[in-house]
Amino acid sequence: QKEVEQDPGPLSVPEGAIVSLNCTYSNSAFQYFMWYRQYSRKGPELLMYTYSSGNKEDGRFTAQVDKSSKYISLFIRDSQPSDSATYLCAMKRRPNDYKLSFGAGTTVTVRA
Amino acid sequence: DGGITQSPKYLFRKEGQNVTLSCEQNLNHDAMYWYRQDPGQGLRLIYYSQIVNDFQKGDIAEGYSVSREKKESFPLTVTSAQKNPTAFYLCASSIRGQGAPTQYFGPGTRLTVL
Repeated sequence: QKEVEQDPGPLSVPEGAIVSLNCTYSNSAFQYFMWYRQYSRKGPELLMYTYSSGNKEDGRFTAQVDKSSKYISLFIRDSQPSDSATYLCAMKRRPNDYKLSFGAGTTVTVRA
Repeated sequence: DGGITQSPKYLFRKEGQNVTLSCEQNLNHDAMYWYRQDPGQGLRLIYYSQIVNDFQKGDIAEGYSVSREKKESFPLTVTSAQKNPTAFYLCASSIRGQGAPTQYFGPGTRLTVL
């Protein structure tokens, strides 16, 4: 069993829809959670960074963490074609950990 | 502009050859990393370095080697011992120490073995 599970999709939605992405994990020691966006043939860029359980909002993006269920989510409101990318979740146990555990990524297409 | 550069963008190698991928950063970050990305598998850590002249193996170091002679540079050599080297290679960097938020990635090098 992988330490971090993420449905690879692909996920296709019409412009303006809400995109819902999620990851589950097995290691209860994870406390720091990240979402990266990766455009085709590019390096990942950090979208959201959260600590422990709760919600964090940044513009059209909302990250949720439910540590009791070992489940994290990313929501994209009012999705745009420019949101078409692969979204990777990542997590670590301690703030100065050098090792991140990544999900496999979910590929999203927003149709105009 | 501060950032991470990787070169070349595309690299082709014949079986049995060693190749070196370049990674340079001007973010003044102490820590640097190399990842390999394969379809459906996410990112896997090859090597990382916390400071100059020091580096540690990641999860899949076999068939790879690195050096860290300068803070700005962390080249990766893919040796002929790496059985399946065709992949997308990503370099990353981060600040060091407590509260280091996360890692910032370069644009990647796509290596194809012919």
